[in-house]
Amino acid sequence: QKEVEQNSGPLSVPEGAIASLNCTYSDRGSQSFFWYRQYSGKSPELIMFIYSNGDKEDGRFTAQLNKASQYVSLLIRDSQPSDSATYLCAVFRNRDDKIIFGKGTRLHILP
Amino acid sequence: KAGVTQTPRYLIKTRGQQVTLSCSPISGHRSVSWYQQTPGQGLQFLFEYFSETQRNKGNFPGRFSGRQFSNSRSEMNVSTLELGDSALYLCASSFDGNNSPLHFGNGTRLTVT
Repeated sequence: QKEVEQNSGPLSVPEGAIASLNCTYSDRGSQSFFWYRQYSGKSPELIMFIYSNGDKEDGRFTAQLNKASQYVSLLIRDSQPSDSATYLCAVFRNRDDKIIFGKGTRLHILP
Repeated sequence: KAGVTQTPRYLIKTRGQQVTLSCSPISGHRSVSWYQQTPGQGLQFLFEYFSETQRNKGNFPGRFSGRQFSNSRSEMNVSTLELGDSALYLCASSFDGNNSPLHFGNGTRLTVT
């Protein structure tokens, strides 16, 4: 099982709809979770981080964490063409203090 | 507040050469991490430095090394370059490195021919 697993996509979502990105992780002891956005040819940019079970909202973005099921998701409301990018899920792995990244999900917002 | 600065942005080297990449973290950040990004493997952790000490290391050969200076600036060195070292090398800083969010620089694109 991969440490941090994401569907590679592409995930195509109509403009204005909700985009839902999912991530699962294998280390049950992981405590901190991060979402990054990476445009083609650019470096990853931090969107959100979440530490506790439940939802965390920031503007059009909502991160959801379920530690019992070992998954974290990112919802993007009112999707815009500018949201088209690769979204990387990252997990702080407590057992060795490393932040491990998934390979990312490519999101394509259809105008 | 200035972001993470990496230099150079692009490098072309030949096999067998060595290369040094530089990273200046966000002011006040004491932890610097290095990642290699390739299309096939994604972001792979190289190492993390905190207070001039390597605190963590990924599964890369000894050809990959780094250091951190007293002002938190960091350098990464790759010796005896191989074609497979061609990648985007990303530096990221965080406040204390424990589970603080990483903030990435623009990266150094290394091409080995």
